Amino acid sequence: DAGVTQSPTHLIKTRGQQVTLRCSPKSGHDTVSWYQQALGQGPQFIFQYYEEEERQRGNFPDRFSGHQFPNYSSELNVNALLLGDSALYLCASSLASREDTEAFFGQGTRLTVV
Amino acid sequence: GENVEQHPSTLSVQEGDSAVIKCTYSDSASNYFPWYKQELGKRPQLIIDIRSNVGEKKDQRIAVTLNKTAKHFSLHITETQPEDSAVYFCAAAEVYNQGGKLIFGQGTELSVKP
Repeated sequence: DAGVTQSPTHLIKTRGQQVTLRCSPKSGHDTVSWYQQALGQGPQFIFQYYEEEERQRGNFPDRFSGHQFPNYSSELNVNALLLGDSALYLCASSLASREDTEAFFGQGTRLTVV
Repeated sequence: GENVEQHPSTLSVQEGDSAVIKCTYSDSASNYFPWYKQELGKRPQLIIDIRSNVGEKKDQRIAVTLNKTAKHFSLHITETQPEDSAVYFCAAAEVYNQGGKLIFGQGTELSVKP
């Protein structure tokens, strides 16, 4: 079992550009959540996808959007990048049908906006 | 809004001593409280969790206590070892029979000195 995998691991973008980050959930999981972790801070919830729909959303602007595919993998898109978007982006997967909601995290994508 | 406060932000102990990290949550609907350990450059990993119908849970050297009335929960690590050095995050979530978004604390950097 490969666990949760994210790509790419590192990325450098210029202000104003757009970026797409990818996540493959743990085998058997159907729910994907995205978090932004700034340096020295706890992860902040961006949104969660289940059955290819955004189910919950945190306090992030519309520049942040996502998608979930039929195979449960997910993408996070960020438009019009700002310097403040530099962070570690974490994907977490879980299984919606169980009350046990343990979330498994990927290793993250380190995004640097210059 | 939903908020989790975590203290202390840094904690230094001697090997063999105990370490205690405390968190307070604001959303009374929260019913799931996981603790994650994040080593430098690595993904957050679940070390223990507790649900709101339980007051205490123990797993070898790690224990978590929950006081629902006061909205407090704590992580206790006994007989600390140098490999316990990492950043620890508490989190709170409201879970039905599906996954819920995790609200994280700011993290505690634990240093265990040999």
